[in-house]
Amino acid sequence: GESVGLHLPTLSVQEGDNSIINCAYSNSASDYFIWYKQESGKGPQFIIDIRSNMDKRQGQRVTVLLNKTVKHLSLQIAATQPGDSAVYFCAENNNFNKFYFGSGTKLNVKP
Amino acid sequence: IAGITQAPTSQILAAGRRMTLRCTQDMRHNAMYWYRQDLGLGLRLIHYSNTAGTTGKGEVPDGYSVSRANTDDFPLTLASAVPSQTSVYFCASSSGTDTGELFFGEGSRLTVL
Repeated sequence: GESVGLHLPTLSVQEGDNSIINCAYSNSASDYFIWYKQESGKGPQFIIDIRSNMDKRQGQRVTVLLNKTVKHLSLQIAATQPGDSAVYFCAENNNFNKFYFGSGTKLNVKP
Repeated sequence: IAGITQAPTSQILAAGRRMTLRCTQDMRHNAMYWYRQDLGLGLRLIHYSNTAGTTGKGEVPDGYSVSRANTDDFPLTLASAVPSQTSVYFCASSSGTDTGELFFGEGSRLTVL
């Protein structure tokens, strides 16, 4: 099966700084990628997605970068806030409606 | 508020017992999913359904079964629970069109003793 993994299990940043969360994937056939945020005790929530025909997509305070050459994507959060503290998952899709998730990165925002 | 409803939110179960986790959505989404979440392993797909009347196996289907009799409901059954099925279970849905956004329930925490 697919292998979606993260380089760092935990990331600590200072409030106001930018955060970068990385994700590696192994299936070169994957054509759609999503980032999710999961707060403690809750289900994951969609943040942003990107298709394989793009290398960058921006949302509100978030940017996703996709590098298909090295099978890597990242989530950048600008001006990180305490409310951004959560576990972040990347997910990939290469088969209609089947999504595979990485193990997650915990983001700690220090005041 | 519309969305995904899971029940129960938490359950302790003796090994060997049968258990059904319920999931209902009111968004008329075609696709529904069951994931389990274990520390360090992220979310793993158990079963999915692209549309009412169809189901498919995910990454870790053994020991679980699902049914999709209608659009709204997607129950997950453990026929004979084992301790390794202790986990947090999340149900999710998506419109199944040109978006990958999954809408998740709040999870069901299951402990098998």
